[in-house]
Amino acid sequence: GIQVEQSPPDLILQEGANSTLRCNFSDSVNNLQWFHQNPWGQLINLFYIPSGTKQNGRLSATTVATERYSLLYISSSQTTDSGVYFCAVDRTGANSKLTFGKGITLSVRP
Amino acid sequence: DAEITQSPRHKITETGRQVTLACHQTWNHNNMFWYRQDLGHGLRLIHYSYGVQDTNKGEVSDGYSVSRSNTEDLPLTLESAASSQTSVYFCASSDSRGGYEQYFGPGTRLTVT
Repeated sequence: GIQVEQSPPDLILQEGANSTLRCNFSDSVNNLQWFHQNPWGQLINLFYIPSGTKQNGRLSATTVATERYSLLYISSSQTTDSGVYFCAVDRTGANSKLTFGKGITLSVRP
Repeated sequence: DAEITQSPRHKITETGRQVTLACHQTWNHNNMFWYRQDLGHGLRLIHYSYGVQDTNKGEVSDGYSVSRSNTEDLPLTLESAASSQTSVYFCASSDSRGGYEQYFGPGTRLTVT
């Protein structure tokens, strides 16, 4: 099956700093999603981005499908950004069965 | 507002007991999924359904079953709970008619003693 690698595995930031989280995948995909799992365990949809670039406030994401990677940018980080960020992909694009990476644990310190 | 709910949110059970976790969505989505989350593994797919009366096995389906009798619900049953099934379980749904973005429920923390 498709492999999803996220890096770095852990990240510690000072409040206000910027960061880039990376997701590499081993095959072409028709669906790619970024999620934030907050400290209470809730999975929050950030982006549905099989290709291209999207922005939502301080967060933006870019997927370069031909090179099999996606990047999540967090600018002016806040303590509420802490948690685990997951990238998940599906090859088929039909009724997506997502394959998740192992996540990136982000800690933002005040 | 449309949503996806799971119950119970927390459950403690004994080895060998049958346990059913509920998942209910009001999005009217045709696709529903069950995942488990364990440290070091991320989320892994257990079972999924593309519509009423349709069920399929995922990556880690042994010891689990699902049934889909209506659009809104996909209950997950552990036939004989084992300690290895202690985990956090997430239900998700998506609608292929409007794209394939999946939305997740709040999760159920299950402990098997």
